[in-house]
Amino acid sequence: DAGVIQSPRHEVTEMGQEVTLRCKPISGHNSLFWYRQTMMRGLELLIYFNNNVPIDDSGMPEDRFSAKMPNASFSTLKIQPSEPRDSAVYFCASMEMPSGYTFGSGTRLTVV
Amino acid sequence: GENVEQHPSTLSVQEGDSAVIKCTYSDSASNYFPWYKQELGKRPQLIIDIRSNVGEKKDQRIAVTLNKTAKHFSLHITETQPEDSAVYFCAASFFGNEKLTFGTGTRLTIIP
Repeated sequence: DAGVIQSPRHEVTEMGQEVTLRCKPISGHNSLFWYRQTMMRGLELLIYFNNNVPIDDSGMPEDRFSAKMPNASFSTLKIQPSEPRDSAVYFCASMEMPSGYTFGSGTRLTVV
Repeated sequence: GENVEQHPSTLSVQEGDSAVIKCTYSDSASNYFPWYKQELGKRPQLIIDIRSNVGEKKDQRIAVTLNKTAKHFSLHITETQPEDSAVYFCAASFFGNEKLTFGTGTRLTIIP
């Protein structure tokens, strides 16, 4: 298995632009998580899905952030409009109980 | 919800010595405790985990201990090597609840 695949690896965008991050979980994993990592706040859970259904989105910072999981093999995290404070590394992870999370390589987002 | 505290935030250890990282959790229902290692610029990777029916688990130079009464668990690395330098995260969840709550991380530096 290729693991959790995220794209793009790096994204530089101007403030106000829309950003879409993509994730392909490991086949057969039924839970998918989006995390944001910054030096100041560490690893923050934004949202997670179980069997493609959003279970907990309490970590989504505000309405500018949205996430979808249209099928078991694909998820997106969208920021519209983006702001400089959104700059961070965004990780996607998937899991099948009883194992722990497998993280993707992350997307380093820079909003200028 | 669950709250996980991790100490110390930074740790420097002479090569060959042991390193210990400690975490406490707040939710007595939590019963799954994984540890992740994140090398610079890489994804967090699961290195060891423990469930509440076990007090200690060992994998070569790495061991984790759990004290459910005191609600704390620790990571022990013996005979440290330069490749052990990384940021280590503890986490906790209630088994059956996919959501992990992470500690704030410990930056471990092995001094040659």
